[in-house]
Amino acid sequence: AQKITQTQPGMFVQEKEAVTLDCTYDTSDPSYGLFWYKQPSSGEMIFLIYQGSYDQQNATEGRYSLNFQKARKSANLVISASQLGDSAMYFCAMREGSRGGAQKLVFGQGTRLTINP
Amino acid sequence: EPEVTQTPSHQVTQMGQEVILRCVPISNHLYFYWYRQILGQKVEFLVSFYNNEISEKSEIFDDQFSVERPDGSNFTLKIRSTKLEDSAMYFCASRGQSPRLNTEAFFGQGTRLTVV
Repeated sequence: AQKITQTQPGMFVQEKEAVTLDCTYDTSDPSYGLFWYKQPSSGEMIFLIYQGSYDQQNATEGRYSLNFQKARKSANLVISASQLGDSAMYFCAMREGSRGGAQKLVFGQGTRLTINP
Repeated sequence: EPEVTQTPSHQVTQMGQEVILRCVPISNHLYFYWYRQILGQKVEFLVSFYNNEISEKSEIFDDQFSVERPDGSNFTLKIRSTKLEDSAMYFCASRGQSPRLNTEAFFGQGTRLTVV
């Protein structure tokens, strides 16, 4: 079963607009963490933001915020005031907490975001 | 800023040959990982390594794959006899000393392996 689902294969947004990238997850572990990574065309994986399952508030990091709706099991990434440099592949990932210290990340299929000037 | 370093950035090899992908994780990190990404697809977990042994491995990580941390700084992934379907970007990642969920994994820039 898919643990992380990103339903938008591609998104096109005008520069300076806000954009929401969707992510839903599936786990029975009460303790988990959700991550968003950015992968530009050069290929590296860049960490953007983290949300813990017990966090009371939505995470924010500069222009990035996470719309965490625990009951719906969704963790959407919001990018405000998009820039041309935001064009990249974006991956949502989850780490489950009950498996010990070396917990792996499970990734979604990714969303390719293109910012138009 | 400390970073995970992978070499080579691109490797072309003939089917059936052995390859070794090398990684230097961030020093003082304790958890190490290999992931792969077939072109245009999602990032898949291969193996995690902690305390000098494999913590977990995926179905992909069969007997053709092995990992080593030979000298306390390098972390290698060996594919014994490469197949065409092993062509992918391979990412090494490391994580710090805390087992807490919120410690991010730092990824290397990847090694693009092409099997011909």
